[in-house]
This record gives sequence, C-alpha cells and structure tokens, in this order.
Amino acid sequence: EDKVVQSPLSLVVHEGDTVTLNCSYEVTNFRSLLWYKQEKKAPTFLFMLTSSGIEKKSGRLSSILDKKELFSILNITATQTGDSAVYLCAVANAGGTSYGKLTFGQGTILTVHP
Amino acid sequence: DTEVTQTPKHLVMGMTNKKSLKCEQHMGHRAMYWYKQKAKKPPELMFVYSYEKLSINESVPSRFSPECPNSSLLNLHLHALQPEDSALYLCASSQAVAVSETQYFGPGTRLLVL
Repeated sequence: EDKVVQSPLSLVVHEGDTVTLNCSYEVTNFRSLLWYKQEKKAPTFLFMLTSSGIEKKSGRLSSILDKKELFSILNITATQTGDSAVYLCAVANAGGTSYGKLTFGQGTILTVHP
Repeated sequence: DTEVTQTPKHLVMGMTNKKSLKCEQHMGHRAMYWYKQKAKKPPELMFVYSYEKLSINESVPSRFSPECPNSSLLNLHLHALQPEDSALYLCASSQAVAVSETQYFGPGTRLLVL
C-alpha cells in the first residue's frame, strides 16, 4: 500500500522565519510528487515534482525532490501570516488500476504569528 | 482559468433523504475526481472518472453513486447516508489521468448528516 508521511505535523513560527516541511513516501509505481496548500476549503496547487534535484520556485516558496532517498522538502522563506495553512504532500501513482491516483500525507499545520 | 465549482456549499440532510452534489469545470479536463475529507485529515479518494467513464472506485459504499453526464460535469448522488458520512466533499479535475496528475480542486461541499 502506498504511504506518504509528513513532518512535522504542526509548526508555529513568527513572521520572517524560514520553515522547512518534510515529506517522505513509499509508492510502488512513483510518477510525481505534488504539494498543495489548504486554508479553509479547497487545496490549492503549489508544485509538481518529477525529477530529482531540480528545485522549483514560486516567490518565497521552493521545493525539491530526492527520488533516491524518497523524500521532498518544501521551504518557505520570510514567512507571513498569510502562509498559515495546512500543507499537503501527495504522490501520484503510475501503475495499473491506480494510475493517476493521488495518495496524500496527513498534512503539516503551519501557524505564523505576527 | 483553473476554476472548479461545486454546489451546494453546505448541505444538511437526514438519513432518509436523497440529495446530489454537483461539480463543474470548463478547463477542458477529461479526468474528474471525488474526494472525502474529514476534519484534520487529508482528502481520501472516492472515485475517478476518465473520459466520462468510471476508472477507479475506492470501495465506496453504494449509498454514494457518482455520475458523469458529460466531460464538464460530475455529480455525486447521496441516499440513505449515515452520520459518519458527514465531511467535506471535494471535487477535482485534471487534464487527463494519462497526461497530467496536477489536480485542481473545487471549494467543496460541507455535508452534515443528521
């Protein structure tokens, strides 16, 4: 069974801090890893990673994948209160009847205080 | 435009009621998904439709009945639900299961079963 584990489960920081969120996975047929941000309702897409060692960046957020060690990190620099959310990591399966299925981790709850 | 819309936003129903959740996207996506999300838990996949055909059913009880009338619409028919079915129901879409696994989520329907 596919498994995605995120750490830490929750994190409290102050504005301006830098945070690193972790995601490790065990998937039978890995296709890609995705990061989402979920505030009140819908998860919003942040990054999709398919290749090891290539950093993806969007403003203050960046992410990288290590397919050998089976993990990814999401970095947020100069955090703001608007970054407070649940950050979800998900892995896409490339095999058989599970093709296209996303398996989510349990999420990291990030709280940024002013 | 990466918008997926869902109606209604909130729904309260009794255990003997029949209701439907609706999801719509106009991005030309050919894969659509239903997820169930309980409080403080990640989304759990329920169904996947690919080119209007059901491709994944994650052993969901028959009181949940999905329908994909055309490539833009996805319904979830509810009948004889239980209180434990109360959750946020999220719809998502992607270009196609075989093309892109970046799924875009709708805002969800918050369901309460009394």
